[in-house]
Amino acid sequence: QSVLTQPPSVSAAPGQKVTISCSGSSSNFGNNYVSWYQQLPGTAPKLLIYENNKRPSGIPDRFSGSKSGTSATLGITGLQTGDEADYYCGAWDSSLSANWVFGGGTKLTVL
Amino acid sequence: QVQLVQSGAEVKKPGASVKVSCKASGYTFTGYGISWVRQAPGQGLEWMGWISTYNDNTNYAQKLQGRVTMTTDTSTTTAYMELRSLRSDDTAVYYCARTRGYSGYEYYFDYWGQGTLVTVSS
Repeated sequence: QSVLTQPPSVSAAPGQKVTISCSGSSSNFGNNYVSWYQQLPGTAPKLLIYENNKRPSGIPDRFSGSKSGTSATLGITGLQTGDEADYYCGAWDSSLSANWVFGGGTKLTVL
Repeated sequence: QVQLVQSGAEVKKPGASVKVSCKASGYTFTGYGISWVRQAPGQGLEWMGWISTYNDNTNYAQKLQGRVTMTTDTSTTTAYMELRSLRSDDTAVYYCARTRGYSGYEYYFDYWGQGTLVTVSS
């Protein structure tokens, strides 16, 4: 059971837009930044979004992030078959355990 | 270019220890921390902890406190993660990741190693 809740799977057709939600609580999303990671099959994760909505150099503007209250959203527009991957949100959890936490991951299928 | 190159796969018996290395290159090693993240087969990502390459301060996941030790060697720009008293549920791919930010709320992981499979089996 992950501290951050993501849908297990989402799907959309090539060229379409998809959003992936990440739901947390005041102890993690309250005052902490959210980041998002893409994991292509058989590879290491890759940073997509940091500090809620910033893209690292080299990440296309098809990827966007937002955060409001205790939830965050990753948006992907102009879907490509190469976007098929697992996507993870993550944030610092300021509760007693004081850990970095990841969501359970969302499998994106591009139909 | 930034690279994190990890040591090879390991097979260990329950109760043993494993030490995984992560050789960094392409940037100033002491300018960024290193986190370790693991992924059990077919499962999600689990953060294990963070070490400052500047002053060796550490921040371990509560779940692993007492079993994990993270260290660095600035002379070789290498980070290490040792996990003791291995159990079958420690079987996972272990990743090192360059970490931006010094305090937890600032962390994000901008470059990752290729991963090291650790198998714990009798």
